[in-house]
Amino acid sequence: AQSVTQLGSHVSVSEGALVLLRCNYSSSVPPYLFWYVQYPNQGLQLLLKYTTGATLVKGINGFEAEFKKSETSFHLTKPSAHMSDAAEYFCAVSGAGNQFYFGTGTSLTVIP
Amino acid sequence: KAGVTQTPRYLIKTRGQQVTLSCSPISGHRSVSWYQQTPGQGLQFLFEYFSETQRNKGNFPGRFSGRQFSNSRSEMNVSTLELGDSALYLCASSLGPGKEAEAFFGQGTRLTVV
Repeated sequence: AQSVTQLGSHVSVSEGALVLLRCNYSSSVPPYLFWYVQYPNQGLQLLLKYTTGATLVKGINGFEAEFKKSETSFHLTKPSAHMSDAAEYFCAVSGAGNQFYFGTGTSLTVIP
Repeated sequence: KAGVTQTPRYLIKTRGQQVTLSCSPISGHRSVSWYQQTPGQGLQFLFEYFSETQRNKGNFPGRFSGRQFSNSRSEMNVSTLELGDSALYLCASSLGPGKEAEAFFGQGTRLTVV
């Protein structure tokens, strides 16, 4: 069975500060991991994904994530927060039949 | 390339009624999945269709059903609506059945049951 756990339902950072959103996964098989972002009243937009290969994955808008098997983690980072980064972020692992298992989400607030 | 299109964007229905939501996937995508998003339960998987066949179904009552047409467009239907069915319903399309395929989401249909 696959699942993900996002630590911290709300994260606040100052504009220009490091963004770190935490995600841990549980999977009985090698996982395929994803980060999505959701703006108010919108669908989910893919930020980045890990399937195989390089463990440091770069995504859109300056975000990146590192797959650490030993820690079962896939944390999302961005060196410098921008006001436009304020949104809800979801970590997900894919399972059979194109089913995604989503975390509960982390709401990011960027303080000017 | 057009994205995933969901119609309508907003719906208000009365308890006991039924509703049909529509999803047009990205051209060439054959897999369509549906999710329910609520503040209390988060994102929950409803079902997935690939080449007109339901391959996977989440833990929802039989009032929730869906189908996929030969052009990959999908509909989901909810009968005998309950207040708790109020949610954002998201449709996602993927190129194929593999687990590595990312899902592209539509903007959702906001259903309010009164």
